Amino acid sequence: AQSVSQHNHHVILSEAASLELGCNYSYGGTVNLFWYVQYPGQHLQLLLKYFSGDPLVKGIKGFEAEFIKSKFSFNLRKPSVQWSDTAEYFCAVTGVRGSARQLTFGSGTQLTVLP
Amino acid sequence: GAGVSQSPSNKVTEKGKDVELRCDPISGHTALYWYRQSLGQGLEFLIYFQGNSAPDKSGLPSDRFSAERTGGSVSTLTIQRTQQEDSAVYLCASSFSPNSPLHFGNGTRLTVT
Repeated sequence: AQSVSQHNHHVILSEAASLELGCNYSYGGTVNLFWYVQYPGQHLQLLLKYFSGDPLVKGIKGFEAEFIKSKFSFNLRKPSVQWSDTAEYFCAVTGVRGSARQLTFGSGTQLTVLP
Repeated sequence: GAGVSQSPSNKVTEKGKDVELRCDPISGHTALYWYRQSLGQGLEFLIYFQGNSAPDKSGLPSDRFSAERTGGSVSTLTIQRTQQEDSAVYLCASSFSPNSPLHFGNGTRLTVT
């Protein structure tokens, strides 16, 4: 079965700082990769996804993520964060076939952006 | 139409009682997931339904937990003989197909006293 590791549990940044949140997965087959975000008091929503093609994917609100297959990583980046980016961010992975189709989430990274 | 709907939004129950949590997915979505979100624990996969296939129950933490999905639509998660460690937010999500993005409900906050 697949697993996802997010090593940063809590990240605190000042506005305009650059962001990179780490995500590593463990699965031997082809994967689909996702980042979800949960803003305070709101439900989880999709930020961006990677299925195939260009490994650099762009999502909403200026976020992007790069799939590096050799490193089993899918790190989330944003050049300049805003106070409104304060939220919890979850990386998720699913295999593309069989019993690995269930979506597995990492433990999440709480991002706090100071004004 | 409407998004994923979960009820109740909050449930307080005494230890040892049974509870049922309901999820109404988005119409036409074939995939349905249950997750548990505990403070500091992230999202824990519980169970996954896909169309008429047998559900993937590999995430259910004990035999006190069960779930069903009737008619390929509404799902009910049942926790029998609740324990304090069952306290968490239980999230339901659905998607159009297995690899489509998930749409989450607002969750049911379960508190076992």
